[in-house]
Amino acid sequence: NAGVMQNPRHLVRRRGQEARLRCSPMKGHSHVYWYRQLPEEGLKFMVYLQKENIIDESGMPKERFSAEFPKEGPSILRIQQVVRGDSAAYFCASSRGPTYQPQHFGDGTRLSIL
Amino acid sequence: GQQLNQSPQSMFIQEGEDVSMNCTSSSIFNTWLWYKQDPGEGPVLLIALYKAGELTSNGRLTAQFGITRKDSFLNISASIPSDVGIYFCAGYNTGNQFYFGTGTSLTVIP
Repeated sequence: NAGVMQNPRHLVRRRGQEARLRCSPMKGHSHVYWYRQLPEEGLKFMVYLQKENIIDESGMPKERFSAEFPKEGPSILRIQQVVRGDSAAYFCASSRGPTYQPQHFGDGTRLSIL
Repeated sequence: GQQLNQSPQSMFIQEGEDVSMNCTSSSIFNTWLWYKQDPGEGPVLLIALYKAGELTSNGRLTAQFGITRKDSFLNISASIPSDVGIYFCAGYNTGNQFYFGTGTSLTVIP
């Protein structure tokens, strides 16, 4: 998975705190996707972003979750006032273009809520 | 909504055996992708397919883009212990929407 960098790899938060997950796409990629994965399950799409734009956030919960991909710097997935149900692995992927391009994944951030 | 159904859901095979798994959709796809995910890691792209009927190999792995454009197949020949993992199909439909399959868990018995 060299190329798509996610940090931190593990994040522990108490209920009510905020979680910030970062993703730097592969070099030359300007499209970023965030997914959530529960144990023993597949990946669930959350949001698709290009630089400074949210293209599709149909998979993102309406409250407490937000994502951005600024002109400079990594993409950020932000979860406010975390609850136990937010515990999961969050994966970021990037692609070169918007049309039919393979997505390449990072190694994920494992979020644990105490 | 759109779903990619993979079968089988899980497989237990002896080392050295060949493996076949498939993925079907309810609508036409323009691109099929196969990924492998090891525990604690992100999915790794194995093979990408772009044309109906296309057959592509990557070492012991071979994948095919179905003629109907509604399915794809992945074969692994002469399995080895490191083939253990979860294999996901994925793809873009004609509306450029991206979907993941439900996964096939592979266990290789030495």
